[in-house]
Amino acid sequence: NAGVTQTPKFRILKIGQSMTLQCTQDMNHNYMYWYRQDPGMGLKLIYYSVGAGITDKGEVPNGYNVSRSTTEDFPLRLELAAPSQTSVYFCASSYSRGGSEQYFGPGTRLTVT
Amino acid sequence: QKEVEQDPGPLSVPEGAIVSLNCTYSNSAFQYFMWYRQYSRKGPELLMYTYSSGNKEDGRFTAQVDKSSKYISLFIRDSQPSDSATYLCAMTKNRDDKIIFGKGTRLHILP
Repeated sequence: NAGVTQTPKFRILKIGQSMTLQCTQDMNHNYMYWYRQDPGMGLKLIYYSVGAGITDKGEVPNGYNVSRSTTEDFPLRLELAAPSQTSVYFCASSYSRGGSEQYFGPGTRLTVT
Repeated sequence: QKEVEQDPGPLSVPEGAIVSLNCTYSNSAFQYFMWYRQYSRKGPELLMYTYSSGNKEDGRFTAQVDKSSKYISLFIRDSQPSDSATYLCAMTKNRDDKIIFGKGTRLHILP
């Protein structure tokens, strides 16, 4: 099993550009999450999904969009990138929401200049 | 008051020492407690998982939960340079609720 994979590993965007961060898991988990991690600030939940076709906002959803058309994939879309979106983005998946381990991908380092 | 508080460190200790990492929390409804380890430029990975109060041991690692004090700890015995990482505590009320993460403590084990 590859677990949770994310692409790209690194990206530099100009202000106002858009991009999609890809996330795929091969563990057949229903729950998937997108977090951002800023230095010294811990993990902040952006969006999550409880299954194909169902998504919901986390604590910092502004400036982002998600979709979940399959169990395996959970892409994160950034529209009109801003410097405040410079961060490390982690995708994660789990069997259940709170009571089981979350498996994290390796992260995408995004810089917006 | 923040839901979960964790000292960011960095905490530097010599190799072989016992390390104590801690989190406090404000919500008495939390029942599931976790410790994640995150190496530099990697994603977090689950290290310890406990339910309710008490201790849980796994090799050199011991997780302790004191619900009366709203305080959880992770002890690392015989610390190794390979234990150098950021340790994030996490907790949740039940299996259907969101997980709340602490901000993480950076740990350096000095050879």
